[in-house]
Amino acid sequence: GAGVSQSPRYKVAKRGQDVALRCDPISGHVSLFWYQQALGQGPEFLTYFQNEAQLDKSGLPSDRFFAERPEGSVSTLKIQRTQQEDSAVYLCASSLEGGNEQFFGPGTRLTVL
Amino acid sequence: DAKTTQPTSMDCAEGRAANLPCNHSTISGNEYVYWYRQIHSQGPQYIIHGLKNNETNEMASLIITEDRKSSTLILPHATLRDTAVYYCIVRVANYGQNFVFGPGTRLSVLP
Repeated sequence: GAGVSQSPRYKVAKRGQDVALRCDPISGHVSLFWYQQALGQGPEFLTYFQNEAQLDKSGLPSDRFFAERPEGSVSTLKIQRTQQEDSAVYLCASSLEGGNEQFFGPGTRLTVL
Repeated sequence: DAKTTQPTSMDCAEGRAANLPCNHSTISGNEYVYWYRQIHSQGPQYIIHGLKNNETNEMASLIITEDRKSSTLILPHATLRDTAVYYCIVRVANYGQNFVFGPGTRLSVLP
């Protein structure tokens, strides 16, 4: 069956540009998470949605980061005025209501020049 | 969430069992032990989780000590495709709770 998909897989942006990263979770999964993974480190939590409600955004590093999930399925992570320190892999994960396991997508590798 | 301690790296011969240790001495009574792995250029993949009893599935076995302060993930017959970073995480069983990943253990399976 289809897993979590993310697009684009790779994104190169010039410093100061805005980017939008898309996540298509597994159909029917209520919970959706975004993580940021710097090179050589484990993923770090950014934000969490339950359906369309953003219940936790404590991990977003600055107000340049914004996430939405308007219809409770596809989610978009937007980064405004990108900086070099934003370069990382952005991972999306989804899970069933009541599920312990999070299913991760392949990630989007963002490089800010 | 309680923190975990894992060795930075380990090697294992192909076909042998890989035993990956994890210390979680401050684990709370309602926290589970989860294991994920991340193969190069892929997202993390769930392996197994448990509370206090040993668990086994098609991928691995999880052995949790009686005091729950440490655990071991066992890959019974490691293959080259098991080369990955393995993360041990403790977390309450709440589907709305994010995972807190440490640096993990880089397992290299050698031919």
